[in-house]
Amino acid sequence: DIQMTQSPSSLSASVGDRVTITCRASQSISSYLNWYQQKPGKAPKLLIYAASRLQSGVPSRFSGSGSGTDFTLTISSLQPENFATYYCQQSYSTPYTFGQGTKLEIK
Amino acid sequence: EVQLVESGGGLVKPGGSLRLSCAASGFTFSNAWMSWVRQAPGKGLEWVGRIKSKIDGGTTDYAAPVKGRFTISRDDSKNTLYLQMNSLKNEDAAVYYCTTMTFGPTGIYFDYWGQGTLVTVSS
Repeated sequence: DIQMTQSPSSLSASVGDRVTITCRASQSISSYLNWYQQKPGKAPKLLIYAASRLQSGVPSRFSGSGSGTDFTLTISSLQPENFATYYCQQSYSTPYTFGQGTKLEIK
Repeated sequence: EVQLVESGGGLVKPGGSLRLSCAASGFTFSNAWMSWVRQAPGKGLEWVGRIKSKIDGGTTDYAAPVKGRFTISRDDSKNTLYLQMNSLKNEDAAVYYCTTMTFGPTGIYFDYWGQGTLVTVSS
């Protein structure tokens, strides 16, 4: 199975900050990488697919990059509604696996 | 508007069985590949398994922890996805989400999610 490791596990930041979350795969997955946002008590929401493609309706302050084993999710200017937990997920092969999550909290 | 509505969760004893349902609307369900993803309390997301559309063979694939105990099926006439869970263990306790699977330029992504249904396994 492909293991996905996110860093950091938690992060404190302020409104307006630029934030970067990293995801590393245990083997090369090309660009088969997606990012999701989850708020407490809610279902996850797709933000980025194919490593860098913004899902329809997602604000442009979200961006993704990377290929192979190393990927990043960047939020250019944090808004209050962006405080949530973020997950990466590989779709290179089954079982599809998720990172452990990065909890983004208000400083 | 795409809607996925799960039901069937509840309290079950270890070793028991439960069947979850996911009613789909707002898209052509028969053409869709579908997955179940679960989330144990306070934990991360775990893919459970998926079923292809019948036109693509209708086959299933499962994560190792549930293989042989869980079965995913679909009734395209009812636009409904199912998850039959047998021989339940304490570690199966989670919120279970059904999701649509869409093919992108590289691989699949889970673009629509239901609200989830809670399964509690306890004696």
